[in-house]
Amino acid sequence: QSALTQPPSVSGSPGQSVTISCTGTSSDVGSYNRVSWYQQPPGTAPKLMIYEVSNRPSGVPDRFSGSKSGNTASLTISGLQTEDEADYYCSSYTSTTIVVFGGGTKVTVL
Amino acid sequence: QLQLQESGPGLVKPSETLSLTCTVSGGSISTPTYYWGWIRQPPGKGLEWIGGIYYSGSTYYNPSLKSRVTMSADTSKNQFSLQLNSVTAADTAVYYCARHRRGSSQNFDYWGQGTLVTVSS
Repeated sequence: QSALTQPPSVSGSPGQSVTISCTGTSSDVGSYNRVSWYQQPPGTAPKLMIYEVSNRPSGVPDRFSGSKSGNTASLTISGLQTEDEADYYCSSYTSTTIVVFGGGTKVTVL
Repeated sequence: QLQLQESGPGLVKPSETLSLTCTVSGGSISTPTYYWGWIRQPPGKGLEWIGGIYYSGSTYYNPSLKSRVTMSADTSKNQFSLQLNSVTAADTAVYYCARHRRGSSQNFDYWGQGTLVTVSS
């Protein structure tokens, strides 16, 4: 099972919006709404930011949003803030191996 | 507030067995519908799912690691454990335990802080 495909890095200035893509296949992202996103600042454990494609856990700012189209899921950070600088990982249920993660995307705030 | 804490040796010799335990507080691993999983992250690299366990003892593993992985749960201690045998340098990673929500949803909503395990002689 190959990892989901994410861009290695994205960047934006404070206040701007950035979008991270997560491309899978019809065995995972394309067939199930069980896509989640995790934020991992350096040296810390991952934190759940989005689940079931577009749902935010309690406490996650509403400037984080998720969506999906076909085999590609996306995480958008609106009104980028310096504290959003971190690595972001997508994950999906997969009919072959149950869980698959993306390779990760580093978000840089310029 | 649910908390998870990994524990175990930080250094393991090649060909030996890596053993880690995750202690859960603020909640019970016997709670129905929740599963308990392990994820690892080699230094400077991405996340890799290892596998998970239900409190009843039912397990599910990443096929790429299945031949070397064993997981168990001790409900009396509110702990679950990971064993990875025949380790090599490629198994050097930060190992995280996490609560795994499955079914109509799938996500890891609570994570331990992680523990670095180095495989070296």
